[in-house]
Amino acid sequence: EPEVTQTPSHQVTQMGQEVILRCVPISNHLYFYWYRQILGQKVEFLVSFYNNEISEKSEIFDDQFSVERPDGSNFTLKIRSTKLEDSAMYFCASSGLSGNTIYFGEGSWLTVV
Amino acid sequence: GQSLEQPSEVTAVEGAIVQINCTYQTSGFYGLSWYQQHDGGAPTFLSYNALDGLEETGRFSSFLSRSDSYGYLLLQELQMKDSASYFCAVRDQAAGNKLTFGGGTRVLVKP
Repeated sequence: EPEVTQTPSHQVTQMGQEVILRCVPISNHLYFYWYRQILGQKVEFLVSFYNNEISEKSEIFDDQFSVERPDGSNFTLKIRSTKLEDSAMYFCASSGLSGNTIYFGEGSWLTVV
Repeated sequence: GQSLEQPSEVTAVEGAIVQINCTYQTSGFYGLSWYQQHDGGAPTFLSYNALDGLEETGRFSSFLSRSDSYGYLLLQELQMKDSASYFCAVRDQAAGNKLTFGGGTRVLVKP
């Protein structure tokens, strides 16, 4: 069964450093997403991406965040200058055009120290 | 603002039936989804309701009442592997396919 894959599974970074989280969405999907989940809390929407541009973003997704689809398969989330409160599990997800069924990857656990 | 309310925890025995309720207040509504998440794992899609009524998928069923801003997930014939957190999530707008998640219900299945 097709799946969303993410790398790295776990990253530890120092405060102020830049981090890039990578994702390979399901190949025939058109919408791509990033969500995050702080330990013990609910899943929070960050951004959706369609047709090579941001479709929707949340207030969490401020200027330190950016997304990119550098080639036909990868989808990345960059955090420019990490803060302690960015420590969370970051989930990449993808869906078809309707968005009725969204498939999540296994997540990238980011620890900022 | 957007809010989704669901119970924080439910405990039941193997073979039992559990109903997880979800009430929502959102600026728009296009559908209600349910996701299962095991500890340390990814949210896994279970069901999506856009219209009123019951959707059945094996042991799991989901119900929606748009007029009551209410839905539920019904877990039948509970198995140990069903111990997980269950999240309701609302798609609140047509553009962007954004999902707003509830706080999750932790289901503990005991032998």
